[in-house]
Amino acid sequence: AQSVSQHNHHVILSEAASLELGCNYSYGGTVNLFWYVQYPGQHLQLLLKYFSGDPLVKGIKGFEAEFIKSKFSFNLRKPSVQWSDTAEYFCAVNDLRGGADGLTFGKGTHLIIQP
Amino acid sequence: SQTIHQWPATLVQPVGSPLSLECTVEGTSNPNLYWYRQAAGRGLQLLFYSVGIGQISSEVPQNLSASRPQDRQFILSSKKLLLSDSGFYLCAWSVSSGRAWNTQYFGPGTRLTVL
Repeated sequence: AQSVSQHNHHVILSEAASLELGCNYSYGGTVNLFWYVQYPGQHLQLLLKYFSGDPLVKGIKGFEAEFIKSKFSFNLRKPSVQWSDTAEYFCAVNDLRGGADGLTFGKGTHLIIQP
Repeated sequence: SQTIHQWPATLVQPVGSPLSLECTVEGTSNPNLYWYRQAAGRGLQLLFYSVGIGQISSEVPQNLSASRPQDRQFILSSKKLLLSDSGFYLCAWSVSSGRAWNTQYFGPGTRLTVL
């Protein structure tokens, strides 16, 4: 079965600091990769996704992620965080082995940005 | 545009009572539909998914069941709730074909507490 690991469960940063959240998955075949974000009191929403092509993908609000197949990784980055980035971040993977089956999620990273 | 609704938003139920959570999607036809659960300290776990009316696939054996009586309606049920059923239940949808089929869009969720 697919598994997804997010190494940092809680991250606290100051505004303007750089951010990198780690995500590793276990399946070695073709995968689709996602980062979702849940701001306080809001729905879980898509931040960015990778299906194929350029392994560096850009999402909303200045976030980007890099797919490194050899490392089974899809780390999320942002050069300069803002207080409004405080949220829960989830990495998710679909390994395309099934039909319309669901995503496998990591346990999430709770990011707190201090002003 | 597409919207997804879930109700109720919060629910407190005694052990052994029945459960019915409802999810409806607007603005799309023949979506794939999903139920996830997020227990405290854990990531999102896929419970059920459906590719069409009356078609339900279960990912995790449990005392929950799902039904899809209409194209854009997905219901999560239980005949007798357990304490371990407490958690945050999320419904999601995706398009049913094409490259974007496994990009999932989430509803606001239902917070279930079983006492």
